[in-house]
Amino acid sequence: TQLLEQSPQFLSIQEGENLTVYCNSSSVFSSLQWYRQEPGEGPVLLVTVVTGGEVKKLKRLTFQFGDARKDSSLHITAAQTGDTGLYLCAGFMNRDDKIIFGKGTRLHILP
Amino acid sequence: EAQVTQNPRYLITVTGKKLTVTCSQNMNHEYMSWYRQDPGLGLRQIYYSMNVEVTDKGDVPEGYKVSRKEKRNFPLILESPSPNQTSLYFCASSSLQGATGELFFGEGSRLTVL
Repeated sequence: TQLLEQSPQFLSIQEGENLTVYCNSSSVFSSLQWYRQEPGEGPVLLVTVVTGGEVKKLKRLTFQFGDARKDSSLHITAAQTGDTGLYLCAGFMNRDDKIIFGKGTRLHILP
Repeated sequence: EAQVTQNPRYLITVTGKKLTVTCSQNMNHEYMSWYRQDPGLGLRQIYYSMNVEVTDKGDVPEGYKVSRKEKRNFPLILESPSPNQTSLYFCASSSLQGATGELFFGEGSRLTVL
């Protein structure tokens, strides 16, 4: 079974703090994507990482793809209330053309 | 504006009453897919389509049908809905179901089956 485990499932922190969420698997992925979903809306792509060890930055968000392409992390620096939402990682496997979603990390930033 | 449009956004129905959730995209994408999202279970793929007249089962296809007669439309059909199909449904499309293809999602359709 191809699984993407996200941790933590829930995270509630104060505005200004830093946080990291993780996406782990025993499977190797061709690429990994991070999406953010806000209430009443569909997920929206934040980033795609393709190369093992790749690091991408999107303002205060830093995404890393593990060297073995089995895991990824999302680090948020100085969290803001606008970062509140459900963060989903999604891994793509070339061999069977499938995209697998993790169950998500629900992030709540307190003012 | 590039978008994926689903209808209806909200629906309450009864067991056994056939329903269709429509999905339309205006980005000329080849790939379209349906997901259901349930608490604790995340997004699970129901069916997907790589192009017109080509559809394949996802992880949870039981109780659902789809068709892809035109590139822009990918309706989800529940022939005889049951309460376990109560869920939040998302349609998505992509120009390239490949290593870097971005999925564009609709706003979701919340279905309740009584």
